Amino acid sequence: GQSLEQPSEVTAVEGAIVQINCTYQTSGFYGLSWYQQHDGGAPTFLSYNALDGLEETGRFSSFLSRSDSYGYLLLQELQMKDSASYFCAVRDQFSSSASKIIFGSGTRLSIRP
Amino acid sequence: DTEVTQTPKHLVMGMTNKKSLKCEQHMGHRAMYWYKQKAKKPPELMFVYSYEKLSINESVPSRFSPECPNSSLLNLHLHALQPEDSALYLCASSQSLEIYEQYFGPGTRLTVT
Repeated sequence: GQSLEQPSEVTAVEGAIVQINCTYQTSGFYGLSWYQQHDGGAPTFLSYNALDGLEETGRFSSFLSRSDSYGYLLLQELQMKDSASYFCAVRDQFSSSASKIIFGSGTRLSIRP
Repeated sequence: DTEVTQTPKHLVMGMTNKKSLKCEQHMGHRAMYWYKQKAKKPPELMFVYSYEKLSINESVPSRFSPECPNSSLLNLHLHALQPEDSALYLCASSQSLEIYEQYFGPGTRLTVT
């Protein structure tokens, strides 16, 4: 089966940098993605890594190491609006013709002024 | 248009009621999903439709019945629900099953009394 582990809570200061880690165990691997969800809101897609290395999108970057079954989301120049839950996710092969996304338990990021 | 819409936003129903949740997208996506999310938990996959055919049913109780009338619409019919079914029900879509980026609707907050 699949499992993903990420810290349940992280606190950081406005303007700082924070890293949210995710380790996974999968029977097959098709890439790691990250979603952001504000309280009362819907998850929104942030990034996807299929290959090793760093992907940068503005203030957010995502890293993947397939050999270590590990990835992280890096948020720079933190703003109060970044306070949200962040989920890592992997694809699980459900059958020969269908796959599904499995979400980690989520990391609640709180930003302090 | 990169929006997934869901109606209603809130729904309160008794255990003997029959109701339906609706989801619509006009992005030409061919995969659509229903998720259930409890407070402070990750989205939990319920059903996946690909090209209007049910691809995945995650052993969901029969009191939940999905329907995909066409490529833009996804319904979830509810009947004889239990109080523990109270949750946020999220609809999502993606270009296909193989594409990681899912677009989520705002959800329907369901309360079963």
